Amino acid sequence: EAGVAQSPRYKIIEKRQSVAFWCNPISGHATLYWYQQILGQGPKLLIQFQNNGVVDDSQLPKDRFSAERLKGVDSTLKIQPAKLEDSAVYLCASRKAGTGNYEQYFGPGTRLTVT
Amino acid sequence: SQQGEEDPQALSIQEGENATMNCSYKTSINNLQWYRQNSGRGLVHLILIRSNEREKHSGRLRVTLDTSKKSSSLLITASRAADTASYFCATRDQGGKLIFGQGTELSVKP
Repeated sequence: EAGVAQSPRYKIIEKRQSVAFWCNPISGHATLYWYQQILGQGPKLLIQFQNNGVVDDSQLPKDRFSAERLKGVDSTLKIQPAKLEDSAVYLCASRKAGTGNYEQYFGPGTRLTVT
Repeated sequence: SQQGEEDPQALSIQEGENATMNCSYKTSINNLQWYRQNSGRGLVHLILIRSNEREKHSGRLRVTLDTSKKSSSLLITASRAADTASYFCATRDQGGKLIFGQGTELSVKP
């Protein structure tokens, strides 16, 4: 089965510019996550979707970050405007819904550099 | 906030040696997971241990869980150069959110 796809893999922008990341989860996975991973740290959850509804966005900086999953499949994460501290790898992960299915499948990530 | 904290932060060993990484967490858990991340890649799930389990094996991996000490360890036996990666433990908080530690960076030298 195909894995989680993300694009672009790398992005360099200047501060105050906007950027968008795209994620296509594994087919049939109802749950989708966006994580931010700063260099040297573990991933931090930004937002979790169940189908096209938001389950948890408590750690999403909503003044500049937004995410959507309109049809319950693909998702986009946007940063507008970007700050220097947004430089990180943005990981998308998906999980098959159902009790006992705890394993999350991660995409390769998008490495964002804000200059 | 970081729920799981790994120790050591970095570990360098020779091929064929065993590697042990430790994870401590703060609150009660239902299960604990270990993930591997190769450089420039996403995370890969390695193993999940439930709170009522004390030890679990998967190939060359052995995971232990001590809920009284709120700690877990990951042992990789007979390490290979391909095991070079960062290893993260993860637990779920009360809201169901997966919380990752800062990771242990393992380097296996051929």
